[in-house]
Amino acid sequence: DGGITQSPKYLFRKEGQNVTLSCEQNLNHDAMYWYRQDPGQGLRLIYYSQIVNDFQKGDIAEGYSVSREKKESFPLTVTSAQKNPTAFYLCASSIVESSPLHFGNGTRLTVT
Amino acid sequence: SQQGEEDPQALSIQEGENATMNCSYKTSINNLQWYRQNSGRGLVHLILIRSNEREKHSGRLRVTLDTSKKSSSLLITASRAADTASYFCATDVSPGANNLFFGTGTRLTVIP
Repeated sequence: DGGITQSPKYLFRKEGQNVTLSCEQNLNHDAMYWYRQDPGQGLRLIYYSQIVNDFQKGDIAEGYSVSREKKESFPLTVTSAQKNPTAFYLCASSIVESSPLHFGNGTRLTVT
Repeated sequence: SQQGEEDPQALSIQEGENATMNCSYKTSINNLQWYRQNSGRGLVHLILIRSNEREKHSGRLRVTLDTSKKSSSLLITASRAADTASYFCATDVSPGANNLFFGTGTRLTVIP
C-alpha cells in the first residue's frame, strides 16, 4: 500500500539533545512537508521541499533542520535551539504544489 | 494572518443529524481544502474546491464556497459515530504556492 510512514510514533528526549524524526513516502510525490501541531491550534509549516536536494523554510523554521537526499525521504531534526519542541509533528507529501496533501500519522515528541 | 478560522470550535450532535462547519478566510484563494483528523492521527484529505466553483459533493459531504464573503461550509449529512473527528479547512492562497494555511479546526462529536 502506498503511503507515508513516520517513525517513531512517540519520542522522548532530554532538553539540550538533538532528535531526528523520520518520514518516508512511497507515493512517488515530488513535494514533501513538515508541520507542527500544538493543542487547539492549526498546523504550522516548518519546512517544505519540492525536489531532491532543495528545501525552503516555512513559517516556523527556527530550531529545525531538514535534508532531502532522496525523493522518498525527508527527515526533520529538532535541534537544541528550538525553545519549545514538545509537539505533534506531521509529515506530508503532494504530487505537485497546490494539490491535496497526504499525511503520515505523526510523531509525538516530548522533551523534558 | 491568512489563516482560515473554523466555526464553531466544537459541535456535538446526535447520530443521524446533519453537521455544518464554517470556515472564513482573509485573502483571495486559489482553492480551499477540507481535511479530517481522528485523535492522535494524521490528517486525511476530504475535498478540494477551486475558487471558480461554488459547490461540490462527495458522498455525504457537501462543500460550498462563497468567494465574495470569503467563506466556505462543510456539511456532513446523516452523521455517524465514526464521523467523530476534528475538521480543518486549509486555504491555498495563490497558484504555485507551497503553503496551505490551516485553520484551528472544528471538533465534531457524534453521539450514538
